[in-house]
Amino acid sequence: DAKTTQPTSMDCAEGRAANLPCNHSTISGNEYVYWYRQIHSQGPQYIIHGLKNNETNEMASLIITEDRKSSTLILPHATLRDTAVYYCIVLPSFGNEKLTFGTGTRLTIIP
Amino acid sequence: EAQVTQNPRYLITVTGKKLTVTCSQNMNHEYMSWYRQDPGLGLRQIYYSMNVEVTDKGDVPEGYKVSRKEKRNFPLILESPSPNQTSLYFCASSNRATTYEQYFGPGTRLTVT
Repeated sequence: DAKTTQPTSMDCAEGRAANLPCNHSTISGNEYVYWYRQIHSQGPQYIIHGLKNNETNEMASLIITEDRKSSTLILPHATLRDTAVYYCIVLPSFGNEKLTFGTGTRLTIIP
Repeated sequence: EAQVTQNPRYLITVTGKKLTVTCSQNMNHEYMSWYRQDPGLGLRQIYYSMNVEVTDKGDVPEGYKVSRKEKRNFPLILESPSPNQTSLYFCASSNRATTYEQYFGPGTRLTVT
């Protein structure tokens, strides 16, 4: 599986858009970019995933560069409840569905 | 409400005393999995199940057992718990069609003394 690199921590003001970057320069053609988050000691929560097109759902938007070597998760109007660790992971289109999280980005929303 | 439930949420036990952590999902998901999460080691898969009566080892299966007799339930069994199994445990499930889009339970914090 391709490795990902994320900043260790970020702050964002409440009400602003939070932009979380992720580098995955070794991603291969059949691998998807997935984003999860984990609020302190709660179960991880799926946010969004994509292959090469930009994606949007009720939680967030995912922007993937044309070369697919990096992506950005966007929380359009961050709230205090968005404070969490955000994990970017790259996964093949098939497998045993095992999730392996790295250290992620600790996002703190500031009032 | 679609959810994955785990019981108990917190458990303190002693070395060698058999215990079971239950996991149940109400979404008719085929795939279920157990993970443990430890500081500095991230999330590691213990066992997974693709469907009823089909289970397989993950990355850290030693000291654990599972069973999948019904689609909704996937209990984790520690036959003889040891202190190195002190951890935060998560159960997850997904519809095979959506693969990695997994729903996680709230977690079970286990302490073995």
